[in-house]
Amino acid sequence: DTEVTQTPKHLVMGMTNKKSLKCEQHMGHRAMYWYKQKAKKPPELMFVYSYEKLSINESVPSRFSPECPNSSLLNLHLHALQPEDSALYLCASGAGIMNTGELFFGEGSRLTVL
Amino acid sequence: EDQVTQSPEALRLQEGESSSLNCSYTVSGLRGLFWYRQDPGKGPEFLFTLYSAGEEKEKERLKATLTKKESFLHITAPKPEDSATYLCAVRLTGNQFYFGTGTSLTVIP
Repeated sequence: DTEVTQTPKHLVMGMTNKKSLKCEQHMGHRAMYWYKQKAKKPPELMFVYSYEKLSINESVPSRFSPECPNSSLLNLHLHALQPEDSALYLCASGAGIMNTGELFFGEGSRLTVL
Repeated sequence: EDQVTQSPEALRLQEGESSSLNCSYTVSGLRGLFWYRQDPGKGPEFLFTLYSAGEEKEKERLKATLTKKESFLHITAPKPEDSATYLCAVRLTGNQFYFGTGTSLTVIP
């Protein structure tokens, strides 16, 4: 069962709201990723967690706050976002020994910031 | 600076017209090159992993190859259902996993 589940599928929020995106995987993968994808562009890496510790932050603004409560869950907390943050947010988990394999992606959360 | 560039940006093929997509990379510490397919509004779907120059992988109408500086995705006799965006990605040391610029493929019946 190679499945990464993301909720919600769609989210609309105002610039003063606080919301969270959630991601869950039960494949026993120990690396989890957040990507941001704008229309007609490739996914851009935001954060990587390895063994529940943040290992990569690609200079993402602090209005995005990741959290990895356990090896199966990954959250992205959103606060004071801007309209240009509207995008598809993709979660992925990493396979393979020492995380050398492919990433498995969820279907994404479509975020609209008004 | 690490770079992954795909060409062409967009490709229109007649059904049955074979072609190749290119992924050129300039990176340090490559630990694997990956091909994905992405349909509109969906997450990328894994296709192939290549680790060494000279390696080839095949699946149905798709074949991926790797050299020291680029990878090709060959599409043989494509069908309309092969229409999608094809993304290559590189895994670097330290868990980085970066995507190329993508090729949007349209196969016309």
